[in-house]
Amino acid sequence: AQTVTQSQPEMSVQEAETVTLSCTYDTSESDYYLFWYKQPPSRQMILVIRQEAYKQQNATENRFSVNFQKAAKSFSLKISDSQLGDAAMYFCAYRSATNTGTASKLTFGTGTRLQVTL
Amino acid sequence: DVKVTQSSRYLVKRTGEKVFLECVQDMDHENMFWYRQDPGLGLRLIYFSYDVKMKEKGDIPEGYSVSREKKERFSLILESASTNQTSMYLCASSLWGTGSRRSPLHFGNGTRLTVT
Repeated sequence: AQTVTQSQPEMSVQEAETVTLSCTYDTSESDYYLFWYKQPPSRQMILVIRQEAYKQQNATENRFSVNFQKAAKSFSLKISDSQLGDAAMYFCAYRSATNTGTASKLTFGTGTRLQVTL
Repeated sequence: DVKVTQSSRYLVKRTGEKVFLECVQDMDHENMFWYRQDPGLGLRLIYFSYDVKMKEKGDIPEGYSVSREKKERFSLILESASTNQTSMYLCASSLWGTGSRRSPLHFGNGTRLTVT
């Protein structure tokens, strides 16, 4: 079974600064997808960024980028120019590329709560 | 935009009651999921459905059942609620087929259930 580990329960960053959230995972598969989700106080889970394991290039979405190290099974999220609205719980998630049954489920980490200070 | 609607934002029930949590999605998604979210444990999959009347157990199905009579609606049932089922419950949906591998989950706003 796949596992996802987020070792930082809480992180803090000053506005306009850069912060990196860590995520490691364990799998025996070679093809899979990795996601970062954001959950603000409104509780609505929002997809931040997605990475396909077969792609060597790191995904980027505006101020959000990832550092995907497949051999190390590491998938960190970097937030640049942090804004107050980035304050939220961030979840890393894994999905197998196998397309049947429960293989299409997402496995989540325990989350990192990000505070953004002035 | 996909909309996933959970019928209650907050719910308070007594131990032993039968509890229904309802979830409706409007994008014709085949896959629907029920997750439970607890501090320090992240999101854990309770049940999953990939078609009408089809269901599969997730990682923590004990004490729960589900129903999917129509494609757009996925219900989570607590047959006899217990205090250890006090939690946040999140419903989600996604595409099936080749789209599902890279398609994200679309979540509802969650139901915070308290069992007293």
